[in-house]
Amino acid sequence: NAGVTQTPKFRVLKTGQSMTLLCAQDMNHEYMYWYRQDPGMGLRLIHYSVGEGTTAKGEVPDGYNVSRLKKQNFLLGLESAAPSQTSVYFCASSPFSNQPQHFGDGTRLSIL
Amino acid sequence: AQSVTQLDSQVPVFEEAPVELRCNYSSSVSVYLFWYVQYPNQGLQLLLKYLSGSTLVKGINGFEAEFNKSQTSFHLRKPSVHISDTAEYFCAVSDSGNFNKFYFGSGTKLNVKP
Repeated sequence: NAGVTQTPKFRVLKTGQSMTLLCAQDMNHEYMYWYRQDPGMGLRLIHYSVGEGTTAKGEVPDGYNVSRLKKQNFLLGLESAAPSQTSVYFCASSPFSNQPQHFGDGTRLSIL
Repeated sequence: AQSVTQLDSQVPVFEEAPVELRCNYSSSVSVYLFWYVQYPNQGLQLLLKYLSGSTLVKGINGFEAEFNKSQTSFHLRKPSVHISDTAEYFCAVSDSGNFNKFYFGSGTKLNVKP
C-alpha cells in the first residue's frame, strides 16, 4: 500500500552539483506532478506529466528538468544546483485531470 | 493564471470551538476546488473537493466547505475542532484555462489549544 514514494527523503548539495529526485507511484495513475514548497508560498508547480513519455512546464520550471520514461516513475533533475533551489519537493499523482492528487512525503533539499 | 488567496496565515482556536478558514480565487471561469491538510513532515492529504453539483461539500474529519461562485470563495468550516486538527491547510484550484494545472494558496496554520 505504498502510494507515492519519493527518494531520497533528505539531501544536502553544494552549489553547482547535480542530482535527480525519484518519484514512484503504484496506483497506475496517468498524471504526475512535481511541486516545491517554500515557507509562506504554498506549493508551486514545477513540471507535470499527463502520461508516459510526456512532460510539460508548470509555474516555476527554470533550473529543473524532468523525464517520464515509465508510467510509474517521474524524475526531477537539477543540473547545476543553486541556493535558491533549497526547498521541500513534493511529488503527486492523479488518475486523470481534475481529480484529487495523491502526495508523497517530500524530499528536503538544502543547497549550500 | 489563477491565483489563490488564503488571507489568514495562522488561526488560533480553542478546542471544541468552531473555525472557518478562508479561501478566495481570482478567476470566475469554470473551476474545480480542493482543500488539503498537511501534518508536520508529511505530504498533503485530501480533505474535500468540489467538482460540480451541490455547493456545500462535506469532507473527512467533520470538515465542510461552501462554493460561492459570485464571491469566488471556497471557505472551509468545522463546527467543533479537536487538538488533532492542528495542522496546515491548503486550498487548491484548477480551472478551464488548463485543468492539468493546480494552483495552491499559501496555507493556513490551524493551532487548536486545549
